[in-house]
Amino acid sequence: QVQLVASGGGLVKPGGSLRLSCAASGFSVTDYDMSWIRQAPGKGLEWVAWIGSSDPSTHYADSVKGRFTISWDSADNSLYLQLNSLRAEDSALYYCAREYSGNFEYWGQGTLVTVSS
Amino acid sequence: QSVLTQPPSVSAAPGQKVTISCSGTSSNSFVSWYQVFPGAAPKLLIYDNHKRPSGIPDRFSGSKSGSSATLDITGLQTGDGAVYYCGTWHRSLTFYVFGTGTEVTVL
Repeated sequence: QVQLVASGGGLVKPGGSLRLSCAASGFSVTDYDMSWIRQAPGKGLEWVAWIGSSDPSTHYADSVKGRFTISWDSADNSLYLQLNSLRAEDSALYYCAREYSGNFEYWGQGTLVTVSS
Repeated sequence: QSVLTQPPSVSAAPGQKVTISCSGTSSNSFVSWYQVFPGAAPKLLIYDNHKRPSGIPDRFSGSKSGSSATLDITGLQTGDGAVYYCGTWHRSLTFYVFGTGTEVTVL
C-alpha cells in the first residue's frame, strides 16, 4: 500500500531554514519521479520542485529557484525539501507527491510551514 | 511561470451537471484534474485529458480541445462540493502548472 507521510514543518523567522521530509512506504522513492507542491492559506495549488527517478535531475519553480533543494535518500526511502532564505510568501501547506506518467497519483497529507517574525 | 485559467466557481443542484473549463494549455499537452476537499490532500480525478484512475466514478469526465480542457461532473452529489484544479506540464517539461481552481457548490 502506497503511503507518503510528510513532516518537518513549523514556525520559522524570515531568512531562516527548514528541512521537510516525506517518508514513503509501499514503493521506492528512487523508482518514481517525485514532487513537492504547496498551497498557501486561501490560495491555489503551486508546484514547487521535481526530482527524477534514479538520475536524479531536478526542476524548480522560479519562485523558489536558488533557495530550495529537493533530494531523496534511498537508505531511508524518503524525499526531502531543504528550504533556505525563507520568506513570508513561502508560508503554506507543503505536500509531497508521487508522479506517474506526468500525473500526481499519490499525495502525502501535507506539512505546514509558517514564516513569520 | 504561466497559469491555467479556470472559473472561480460553479454551482448546480443535486443531480444536475457542472462543467469546469481550463484554458491556456498547450495543444499537445496532457491535462490532469485534481479534487481538493478542505483539510485533505488533493486527489487525482482525471489524467491524460480524459482517463479515470481506478475508483473514480464515471460521473466525472474530462476532455480537451486545442488549448482548453474541460471537466464535467454529471449527476451532481452533495459530496462533490470541493475545489477542482486542472494541471499540466509545461511543454518544456521543466515545470508544472496548476489552474487557478474552481469551487463547486452543490445547491
